[in-house]
Amino acid sequence: AQSVSQHNHHVILSEAASLELGCNYSYGGTVNLFWYVQYPGQHLQLLLKYFSGDPLVKGIKGFEAEFIKSKFSFNLRKPSVQWSDTAEYFCAVNAGGGADGLTFGKGTHLIIQP
Amino acid sequence: DGGITQSPKYLFRKEGQNVTLSCEQNLNHDAMYWYRQDPGQGLRLIYYSQIVNDFQKGDIAEGYSVSREKKESFPLTVTSAQKNPTAFYLCASMGQGYATNEKLFFGSGTQLSVL
Repeated sequence: AQSVSQHNHHVILSEAASLELGCNYSYGGTVNLFWYVQYPGQHLQLLLKYFSGDPLVKGIKGFEAEFIKSKFSFNLRKPSVQWSDTAEYFCAVNAGGGADGLTFGKGTHLIIQP
Repeated sequence: DGGITQSPKYLFRKEGQNVTLSCEQNLNHDAMYWYRQDPGQGLRLIYYSQIVNDFQKGDIAEGYSVSREKKESFPLTVTSAQKNPTAFYLCASMGQGYATNEKLFFGSGTQLSVL
């Protein structure tokens, strides 16, 4: 079975700082990778996803993620964060492209200080 | 508007009681999912259904039951056997093309607490 590990449970940054949230997964085969965000009091929303092709994926709100197959990683990045990026971020993997759901990491709580 | 509706938003359970969480979608999606969200634990898959009248256990199915009698509906029952039911429960669905490129659509969740 696949698993997802997010390295940082809590991250505090100042506005305009650069962000990188780590995500590693364990699965030897083909994977689809996702980052979801949950703003305070709101639904989970898809930030970006990787299925194939260019390993550098761009998502909404200036976020991007890079799939490094050799490292089983899919880290999320943003060059300059804003106060409105304060949220919970979840990395998820779908192994083999099937419909048996996603496996989520435990989440990273990001707080941006003005 | 198309989407997923979960009800109720808040639910309280007494000891030994079964409670049922509702999830309805009008997206015509085949696959539906129930996740449990606990602080510091992320989301964990309870049950999922890829088609009407069929469902599979997820990672933490013990103490829960589901049914999928209609495509639009996937109710979750939290039974008295679930000893730690307090959590935020999220329902999700995924439509055609899920094997290649679809995404999950999430409902707004139900917060279940034990009295």
